[in-house]
Amino acid sequence: EVQLVQSGAEVKKPGESLRISCKASGYSFTSYWIAWVRQMPGKGLECMGVIFPDDSDTKYSPSFQGHVTMSADKSITAAYLQWTSLTASDTAIYYCARFFPDPVGGRFDYWGRGTLVAVSS
Amino acid sequence: EIVMTQSPAYLSASPGERATLSCRASQSVRRNVAWYQQKPGQAPRLLIYGASTRATGIPARFSGSGSGTEFTLTISSLQSEDFAVYYCQQSNQWPPLTFGGGTKVEI
Repeated sequence: EVQLVQSGAEVKKPGESLRISCKASGYSFTSYWIAWVRQMPGKGLECMGVIFPDDSDTKYSPSFQGHVTMSADKSITAAYLQWTSLTASDTAIYYCARFFPDPVGGRFDYWGRGTLVAVSS
Repeated sequence: EIVMTQSPAYLSASPGERATLSCRASQSVRRNVAWYQQKPGQAPRLLIYGASTRATGIPARFSGSGSGTEFTLTISSLQSEDFAVYYCQQSNQWPPLTFGGGTKVEI
C-alpha cells in the first residue's frame, strides 16, 4: 500500500526556520517525483515544485523559487520542504503528493494528509 | 505558465441531479488534465487523469471529457458524498504544474 506520512503541525514565529517531512512507503521511492502543494486558508491548490528522489533533480514553480528548498533522502525514503525565514504569508497546509508524469496523463496519484504550518508573532 | 480556469466557482445542486463542471486552459494541454475532489479537512483525491480515465476505485458516475483547451467533469447523479470542491490540473507543460481555482459543489 502506497503511503505518504507527513510530519505534524507546526506553530512558528516570523523569521524562524522550519523543515517539514514526508515519509514514503509501499512503492519504489526513487522511481516517482514527489511534489509539494500549498493550500492557504480557504484557498485552492498550488504546486510549489517537484523533486525526483533518485538524483534530487528539483523543479520549482516560479512563484516559489528562492523561497523554499526541497530535498530528499532516498536512504530513508523521505522528502523535505524547508524555509530559512518564515513569514505570516507562509501560513498554510502543505501536502506532499506522488507525481506520475504518465504520457497518457500526468497526475498526483497519492497524497499525504497535509502539514499545517502556522506563522504568527 | 498555463492558467487553468474553472467555472462555475459554485454549483448548487440536489442529490440525484447531474452536475457539469468546466475547466479551460490558457493554451492547448492536449489531454493532459486530471481532476481531483477535496472534502473539508481532507487531502485531495484523484478522480480522473488523461482527461477521461477514471482512477482506481472511482465510481462510474464520474466521467471526464475534452481535449485541447476545454474540459468537463460530469457527475451523472449526485450522491451526498459528492458535495465537495473539485479541481482540474494540467501536466502538459511543467514546471509549473498548475491547478484551476476550483468549483465548490454544494447542496
